[in-house]
Amino acid sequence: QVQLVQSGAEVKKPGASVKVSCKASGYTFSNYGITWVRQAPGQGLEWMGWINPYKGKTNYVQKFQGRVTMTTDTSTSIAYMELRSLRSDDTAVYYCAKGSGTSPEDFFDSWGQGTLVTVSS
Amino acid sequence: DIVMTQSPDSLAVSLGERATINCKSSQSVLYSSNNKNYLAWYQERPGQPPKLLIYWASARESGVPDRFSGSGSGTDFTLTISSLQAEDVAVYYCQQYYTSPSFGQGTKLEIK
Repeated sequence: QVQLVQSGAEVKKPGASVKVSCKASGYTFSNYGITWVRQAPGQGLEWMGWINPYKGKTNYVQKFQGRVTMTTDTSTSIAYMELRSLRSDDTAVYYCAKGSGTSPEDFFDSWGQGTLVTVSS
Repeated sequence: DIVMTQSPDSLAVSLGERATINCKSSQSVLYSSNNKNYLAWYQERPGQPPKLLIYWASARESGVPDRFSGSGSGTDFTLTISSLQAEDVAVYYCQQYYTSPSFGQGTKLEIK
């Protein structure tokens, strides 16, 4: 069955960077997009961006442009999301999710368990 | 950007009764060339990641109980739970994928 397993919780200071990993299994990793969604405490879901694992093509929400980098390693079926210049309002649970196809305009049929990133001095 | 607005923000329904959640998009998510609505629904139980329930506005994901149904077209959509079960307590989100994805603010469903 499809599984996305994310790396563990992180605590970072303001201004630092965090890199979250998402290991996929149970399907052909290169054939489906990976999306990253975050959820601040008590808040809703926020789409951050998308990556095509095969081509490496990305599509980021404008508010994260310049601070986020999404990458994949097709040899290990792992997706990464790096967020830099962290602020306190970046404190959130970060999810990776598998798309149903190969475009950023997609719905998400499997989700990782989430990674809590806490930004605090 | 397409803004998704759900109503109500919270809802309390008795076990066995019908629950209805609405979702409105700021512009149509119906793609005329294929007559498909680019709208999905998710369930987020406490402490769990979101789970896909419905896509293309009315297609039920494999394994989702048939008490869950989606309807609507264009800008107005509805998620209906025909007979509420205890395990349906969750926050429900709609999401459009006509353009860069965006989610509604969520509707919290509780037992009355």
